[in-house]
Amino acid sequence: AQSVTQLDSHVSVSEGTPVLLRCNYSSSYSPSLFWYVQHPNKGLQLLLKYTSAATLVKGINGFEAEFKKSETSFHLTKPSAHMSDAAEYFCVVTPQLGTASKLTFGTGTRLQVTL
Amino acid sequence: DGGITQSPKYLFRKEGQNVTLSCEQNLNHDAMYWYRQDPGQGLRLIYYSQIVNDFQKGDIAEGYSVSREKKESFPLTVTSAQKNPTAFYLCASRAGGDNQPQHFGDGTRLSIL
Repeated sequence: AQSVTQLDSHVSVSEGTPVLLRCNYSSSYSPSLFWYVQHPNKGLQLLLKYTSAATLVKGINGFEAEFKKSETSFHLTKPSAHMSDAAEYFCVVTPQLGTASKLTFGTGTRLQVTL
Repeated sequence: DGGITQSPKYLFRKEGQNVTLSCEQNLNHDAMYWYRQDPGQGLRLIYYSQIVNDFQKGDIAEGYSVSREKKESFPLTVTSAQKNPTAFYLCASRAGGDNQPQHFGDGTRLSIL
């Protein structure tokens, strides 16, 4: 079985400073990993995905994430935060192919961006 | 534009009443999902369907029912047996295999009157 842990439930940064949202995963196979963003009263929007190609993945809105197998991590970063980045972020790990199982969602990290 | 449409945006339920949440997609995706989201929590899977006329229970199916008569539609009924239905409900769909991301609608917020 797979699991995912988002290490911070809440992160606060100033506008223009870097963003780091941490995600660790556990699985007995090579999973795919995603980051989603959710703004208030909205659905989840896919930011980026890792599917066993390049380990550094670039997504939308200037976000990127690096898959580190040795550290079982998939941290999300952005060089410079914008007020519009304030939202909830979810790290997600896929099931093993062929098991017809379900996605595993982290509990989310709320990003606050201050002036 | 292709996407997932959930309606209504807000829904109120009286005691003893069943309510149905609509989910329609024009992405031609085979798989569809229903999730429940409570404040400060992640998403919990209610039901999913990988093909028309077939669906499986997720982690919290009690008090809910679904149907999948058409590829593009996957309605969720919250029955009176669901004693704590107040939550944000999200519908999603997916193309391809289990290692592909899901696409989400904008959700329905259900409250008790």
